[in-house]
Amino acid sequence: QKEVEQNSGPLSVPEGAIASLNCTYSDRGSQSFFWYRQYSGKSPELIMFIYSNGDKEDGRFTAQLNKASQYVSLLIRDSQPSDSATYLCAVISPRTGRRALTFGSGTRLQVQP
Amino acid sequence: EAQVTQNPRYLITVTGKKLTVTCSQNMNHEYMSWYRQDPGLGLRQIYYSMNVEVTDKGDVPEGYKVSRKEKRNFPLILESPSPNQTSLYFCASSPDRGNTIYFGEGSWLTVV
Repeated sequence: QKEVEQNSGPLSVPEGAIASLNCTYSDRGSQSFFWYRQYSGKSPELIMFIYSNGDKEDGRFTAQLNKASQYVSLLIRDSQPSDSATYLCAVISPRTGRRALTFGSGTRLQVQP
Repeated sequence: EAQVTQNPRYLITVTGKKLTVTCSQNMNHEYMSWYRQDPGLGLRQIYYSMNVEVTDKGDVPEGYKVSRKEKRNFPLILESPSPNQTSLYFCASSPDRGNTIYFGEGSWLTVV
C-alpha cells in the first residue's frame, strides 16, 4: 500500500466550477498535510497546509482534513484555466522517523474554458 | 530574493561518467533534501540533511551520494550514473521547524 494515494486523473472541470481533489494516507499517526501545485516542467509550489481536522480556507482554495478516515482533500472554487496543473498531496509521517514529506503521485487537473 | 538554485538545469551524460548537481539556498535553512520525480511515481526523497555534516538516506538513495560541508550548499553526486537515473531532480530546503519547503527549479538529467 502506498503511503499517500491520489487518483492520477485527469480530472476535467469546466471553468467556474468547483474542482475536488482527494488524497488518502496510510499512516494514522501523520500530523501535517500539504497541497502543492506543479505546472508541467516546473517545481512544486505550496498552496496550503493543514494540521487539524476540519476545513481551512485561503481564497479560492479550501483544504479539508478527516483524520479518522485518513483523508485530505482540496477544493478549488471558481476554477480557472490557469488552475490546470498537477496537484500533489504530501504528508509528514512519523513512521519514517524523520521530518520529510512523502508525496502522492499527483492528480492532473484540466479546467476547460 | 529567497531561492534555491540548482545547476545544471539540463544535462545529458553517458553511463559511468561521474557528475555533480549543485544546490545552494540563501535562506539560512538547516534542512535540505534531494528528490527525484518520475512519471507515475511522484516525488521520492533521495537524501536529506538536518544540518552541516549531518546527512541521511531517504527512500531511494542507491547510486547517489551527498555532502553538507556548508549550510547553504548540498550537492548531489552520481559516481557512476546509469540510465535508470534519468529523471527530474529537485533540491529543496526548509527551516528546521518550519513547514514550508522551498524547491529549486529542477534539473533534467538524461543518462545514455
